[in-house]
Order: sequence, then C-alpha cells, then structure tokens
Amino acid sequence: GQQVMQIPQYQHVQEGEDFTTYCNSSTTLSNIQWYKQRPGGHPVFLIQLVKSGEVKKQKRLTFQFGEAKKNSSLHITATQTTDVGTYFCAGRSRGGSYIPTFGRGTSLIVHP
Amino acid sequence: DTAVSQTPKYLVTQMGNDKSIKCEQNLGHDTMYWYKQDSKKFLKIMFSYNNKELIINETVPNRFSPKSPDKAHLNLHINSLELGDSAVYFCASSQARMNTEAFFGQGTRLTVV
Repeated sequence: GQQVMQIPQYQHVQEGEDFTTYCNSSTTLSNIQWYKQRPGGHPVFLIQLVKSGEVKKQKRLTFQFGEAKKNSSLHITATQTTDVGTYFCAGRSRGGSYIPTFGRGTSLIVHP
Repeated sequence: DTAVSQTPKYLVTQMGNDKSIKCEQNLGHDTMYWYKQDSKKFLKIMFSYNNKELIINETVPNRFSPKSPDKAHLNLHINSLELGDSAVYFCASSQARMNTEAFFGQGTRLTVV
C-alpha cells in the first residue's frame, strides 16, 4: 500500500534559524496536505498542494510539491517560538482512496 | 461553535474494562474517521465511515468497534481494554472527495492502568 515517509523525526533549532521537513511517497500523489499539531493540541490543516512543481507561501512558511508529485517540503524561515509543534504531511495516491495517508510527522523544537 | 467535538477529553480506566468515546461533527461532512496517535506522534487511521457505512478498517483488533447512528456522529467502543491501547484518539471528518481537508476533534487521551 501507499507509504508516506517524513524526515526528520525531530528538529531542534535556535529561534531565528530556518527549518525544513521533507515528505516522500512511494506512489505518485494526487495531492498533498500539510497539518500542524501544537503540543497538547490536535492536527490543524495548513495547506494543500495539487499541481506538479507547485509552490505556495504563507508568511514565513513555503510549501513545495515535487515535479513528479512524489515528494514535498515545508520550509520555515526565521523560526519563532510560536512555530513549535509537529508538522505532518498527508498524501492521497493518484487513482487511490480519498483517505489521506499521514507521514510520521516532524516535531520542531525552537529554543529562544 | 466547535466543528468536531469528542468526549471525554481524558479517560483513565483499568485493564479489562469497556469504554466508549463519542464524536460529533456539525460541518455537514459525509465522512468521519478515527485515528490513533501513539507516544511517537504517529497518526494511524483506524476507521473511516462514509454515509454510515464502514469503508476501511486498518487491521484494528475487533475489540474496537465504531458505531455511527447518523452521519454526524461516529462513536468508538473499546472492549477489554489493554495497556497497549493507551494513546490519544482523534476523531476527524471531511467530505468524501480528493481535494478536501480533514477537520480534527480535540482528541481523547486514553490511559489504561
């Protein structure tokens, strides 16, 4: 079945440093979504990418979808303590179920 | 007005007991899910219900049984609780289409002692 791998599992940064998490799928994706889960909270939808090579920005967050639609990344510029949390990617296979498969998540720890 | 609400938020119980977690969504979505999140944050899908029909069951022990009285509710009943069932359980909902996002409930932290 479809597998979505996400790295790294944890990332410690100093406040102001950049952060990137990567997501790779074993199959071509129809779309990919990103969610953020704050400590003690629940996953909250951030964004969806659909087109090959698509790039979207939300303030300091930049999301990319690979040309082959099998990988994606989330980059945060100049991290802040409010960025702390676990970031999940979730992909749906082309021609597959609409139920998303979640990556294992990357936990971001920002040190002030 | 909470979109996806689940109760209780915390549940501490002894091994062998039977417990239920309730979930309701007011978004008009036609699909609801249960996810289990372990201590390493891995979100594993357990069940998905579409229009009151179970459409996926990812090798979950049959001690777990979802019950959906209508498309706005999806409850999770667990029999004979085991220590390994301790986790955070999230209910979620979405429309049954490829380009829709999932909305999650606040989670239920289940601790089996």
